[in-house]
Amino acid sequence: DTAVSQTPKYLVTQMGNDKSIKCEQNLGHDTMYWYKQDSKKFLKIMFSYNNKELIINETVPNRFSPKSPDKAHLNLHINSLELGDSAVYFCASSSSTGRNEQFFGPGTRLTVL
Amino acid sequence: AQSVTQPDIHITVSEGASLELRCNYSYGATPYLFWYVQSPGQGLQLLLKYFSGDTLVQGIKGFEAEFKRSQSSFNLRKPSVHWSDAAEYFCAVGAGSGGGADGLTFGKGTHLIIQP
Repeated sequence: DTAVSQTPKYLVTQMGNDKSIKCEQNLGHDTMYWYKQDSKKFLKIMFSYNNKELIINETVPNRFSPKSPDKAHLNLHINSLELGDSAVYFCASSSSTGRNEQFFGPGTRLTVL
Repeated sequence: AQSVTQPDIHITVSEGASLELRCNYSYGATPYLFWYVQSPGQGLQLLLKYFSGDTLVQGIKGFEAEFKRSQSSFNLRKPSVHWSDAAEYFCAVGAGSGGGADGLTFGKGTHLIIQP
């Protein structure tokens, strides 16, 4: 009964490739997020979606494209991967009627070689 | 813009000793404040949260935090740490707008080391 799940947990790929990370939540939330945690463990918001609509789009290269097919899913597609994209990517979800209490997935560790 | 400062990058505490992790925030309105813990290779787990009301909030695993508006602080405490508390601790602030899709702003984290 995992609340927020991500696949894959680990992703190792070559520079220039395109990859996707999937996120699903079964909490009935209507808002989902992607965060990036860098090598110094600093966490920064990348995107947020509310009811499948993009709300926050921080200064992220346009090689990153989130897609939300429905309220329970938010996928992250990355084109032309670069070395600097290596990080841990966390998905999170919350209820827009709540108080921004966000529940996080286990993370996806992306390594670009 | 909101910001969070965790002044201590590393803290070492002996098992059984008390713990206090510091967090200062900057936010123009009423903040929603959170403490998350991240064990090695794991995701983030919510320890506790402050929205309004009683300024001393209780969380899971025996943790508590006190909101002090005058000091813009939200320090995390535990009276007696266990070896399993060794982890990275993050303080975060969210918009106090009562909802929406605002991202959380995190501090840079405090790495807690427990000495036997």
